[in-house]
This record gives sequence, structure tokens and C-alpha cells, in this order.
Amino acid sequence: QKEVEQNSGPLSVPEGAIASLNCTYSDRGSQSFFWYRQYSGKSPELIMSIYSNGDKEDGRFTAQLNKASQYVSLLIRDSQPSDSATYLCAVYSNTGNQFYFGTGTSLTVIP
Amino acid sequence: DADVTQTPRNRITKTGKRIMLECSQTKGHDRMYWYRQDPGLGLRLIYYSFDVKDINKGEISDGYSVSRQAQAKFSLSLESAIPNQTALYFCSTGGSGTDTQYFGPGTRLTVL
Repeated sequence: QKEVEQNSGPLSVPEGAIASLNCTYSDRGSQSFFWYRQYSGKSPELIMSIYSNGDKEDGRFTAQLNKASQYVSLLIRDSQPSDSATYLCAVYSNTGNQFYFGTGTSLTVIP
Repeated sequence: DADVTQTPRNRITKTGKRIMLECSQTKGHDRMYWYRQDPGLGLRLIYYSFDVKDINKGEISDGYSVSRQAQAKFSLSLESAIPNQTALYFCSTGGSGTDTQYFGPGTRLTVL
């Protein structure tokens, strides 16, 4: 079992819709959770971090964390074509003192 | 100036050649990492270092070696490059506790 699992997609949504990206993790000792956006051929860039159960909102992005279910998600409201990218979920495990990445979910926003 | 820099940005080489990819960071982090990325496979960890005297193998270290010359510098070497090492290589720093990882711009390596 991988430390961090994501649906690989691809996920397609129409412009203006809500895109929902999901991630599960295996280590209950995980304490920090991150979402990165990566455009093709470019480096990952951080868009959201979350450390406590619940929702965290930043503009059109909302991260949701449920530690009991070992689940973290990213919602993108009013999706734009410029949101088309691969989204990487990452988890820092206090137990293993390690940082783990999922394989990413490819999102396409259709104009 | 960028916090994490990588040189070269692009490199084409031949099978059997020795290649070094360099990474420098100005964020003052102890932790540094090397990843490779192939289409559809996500980021795969090659080597990581938690400080100058600490070097660890990642999931795909075979065929690679590293050197941590200073806190700010972490180099990746391919002693004898082979075509299946053709990939996009990223260096990153950070990634401890609540701190995220910060990535360099990447090096696109092609081995013919």
C-alpha cells in the first residue's frame, strides 16, 4: 500500500464548475498536508497547506482534512481553464519523519 | 532570485557518459531532495539528505549517487548514463514538520 493515494484521473470539468480532488494516506502519525499544482514540464508549486481537521479556504480553493478517515481533499470553485494541471497531494509523517507525494490527479477545465 | 536553482536546465548526453546535476538553495534548510519524474509516474525519490553528514537512498537510487557539499548545495551524479534515465529531475528543499517542500525549476535530461 502506498503512503499517499490519489485518483490518477484524468478529471474533466466545465468552466465555472467545482472540481473535487481526493487523497487518502496510510500513516495516522501524519500531521501536515499539502496540495501542489504542477503544469506540464514545470515544477510543483504549493497552493494549499492544512494541519487541522476541517476546512481551510483560500480564494477559490478549499482544502478539507479528516484525520479520522485519513482523507484530505481539494475543492476548486469556479474552475478556470488556467486551473488545468496535475494536482499533487503530499503528506508529512511525524512517525517516519518523511514527506510523501501522491502520483497526482490530472485536471482539465473545458472552456 | 530563485530560492532553489538547478543547473543545467536542459542536457542531452550519450549512453555511458558521466553527468552531474547541481542544486543550490538560499532558504537555509537542512533537508534537500532529488526526484525524477516520468510521464504518468509522479515524483519518485532518488536520494535525500537531512543535513550535510546525512545522506539516504530513496526508492530508486540505483545508478545514481549524490554529494552534499554544503548546507546549500546538493549534487546528483549519473556515473554512466543510460537511456532509461531520460527524465525530468527536480531538486527540492524543506519538508519538515509544518514546512512544505520548495522545488527548483527542474532539469530535463535526455540520454541518447
